[in-house]
This record gives sequence, structure tokens and C-alpha cells, in this order.
Amino acid sequence: EAAVTQSPRNKVAVTGGKVTLSCNQTNNHNNMYWYRQDTGHGLRLIHYSYGAGSTEKGDIPDGYKASRPSQENFSLILELATPSQTSVYFCASGDTGSSAETLYFGSGTRLTVL
Amino acid sequence: QQQVRQSPQSLTVWEGETAILNCSYEDSTFDYFPWYWQFPRESPALLIAIRPVSNKKEDGRFTIFFNKREKKLSLHITDSQPGDSATYFCAASAGTGGYKVVFGSGTRLLVSP
Repeated sequence: EAAVTQSPRNKVAVTGGKVTLSCNQTNNHNNMYWYRQDTGHGLRLIHYSYGAGSTEKGDIPDGYKASRPSQENFSLILELATPSQTSVYFCASGDTGSSAETLYFGSGTRLTVL
Repeated sequence: QQQVRQSPQSLTVWEGETAILNCSYEDSTFDYFPWYWQFPRESPALLIAIRPVSNKKEDGRFTIFFNKREKKLSLHITDSQPGDSATYFCAASAGTGGYKVVFGSGTRLLVSP
């Protein structure tokens, strides 16, 4: 089974500060995703990537940047964190080849912006 | 706008009853519909999925019914068990646009013993 590891598990940041959330996967999946989960909204797609060097905007990319420096690593960057970005963030990876890929999720990062 | 809609937001059934979770979508290019479940303090995980070429997919007590014309689907959980208590997400993806996977807002199911 795919292993997706997120760090940190919990993060408290101050408004205006820079936050970097990291994700590492060890099963050589091409596709990686960042979602945020908020009550009443489910999982909303922020950014995704097809492979090293690629990043694509999801449905709610404003205020977020992404970086995919290698097949294994996909980071989410909040340059100027705001309280509205307080949420639980999930990274996921998936096999390439068709739309019928299974997503494997990390354990999540709980971010609080004060 | 929400591309995938789910109802109800929450649902309580008694053990042994059938739980019915509903989902609808707007984009006709969606060609794969997975359902994920998420237990408290855990990550979402794939439960069952269907392609529009079928109108029904069964896996044990879990069945997806799909209506392509109305762009609706539903997840039926028969003989519900307390261990089925979780949040269920309907999702959709399309082969075009890079396999973007979008999720609904979820249905929180509670099965009472």
C-alpha cells in the first residue's frame, strides 16, 4: 500500500508568517494532490501535480503555492498566512494512467493561524 | 461552485437498517465516481467506485446506483453496522484535465446499536 507522509502533524502560525507543509510518498506515484478539509465543505482541491517540476491549480489556489521538486516530494506554501487558512490539510498521491486512480492520503496536518 | 453535491449532511440509522447516501454532479465529462470513507481522526480511504458504463456496482453490503441521465448516484449500505459510522465522500474525476479529483462535502453517518 502507498505510503504518504506529511509533516508537521500540527502547526501553529502567526498571521502574515510563511508556512510550508511537506509531503513525501514512497510508491513512485506520478500524481500528487493537496486538499484542505473544513466542516461543511468536505475536501477542496488546492493544487496538484503530474510529476516532478509540474504544479497545477485546483479549485481554491488563491493564497497558496505548491512545489514538486522531485517525484517523492510535494510541498504546499503559504507565503502570508491568514486565519482563514486555519484548516486540516491532506496530501494524497495516485497512480497515473486513467481517471480511475485511487488516492492514498497522508495523515493530515492541522494548521492553526492566529 | 460545488461540482459534486451530497445529501443529507448527516444521517442516523439503526443497526440493521439500510442507509442511503445521495450524490449529484454537474460536469458531464466526469467518468469515474469513487466513494471514500473517513473515520474520526483518520484519513479518507477508498471504499467503492463506479464508471458510468455501469448503473450498479456492488461490494458486499455496499452498492452504488448510478443514473447517468439525471447525473445522480447513491450509495446504499445494507444491514448497517455501528462500525460503518463514518463520513462518506462522493468524488468525481475526468480523464481530461489531468485526473483532477473533486469531492463533495460529505455525509456523516451514525449507526446506532
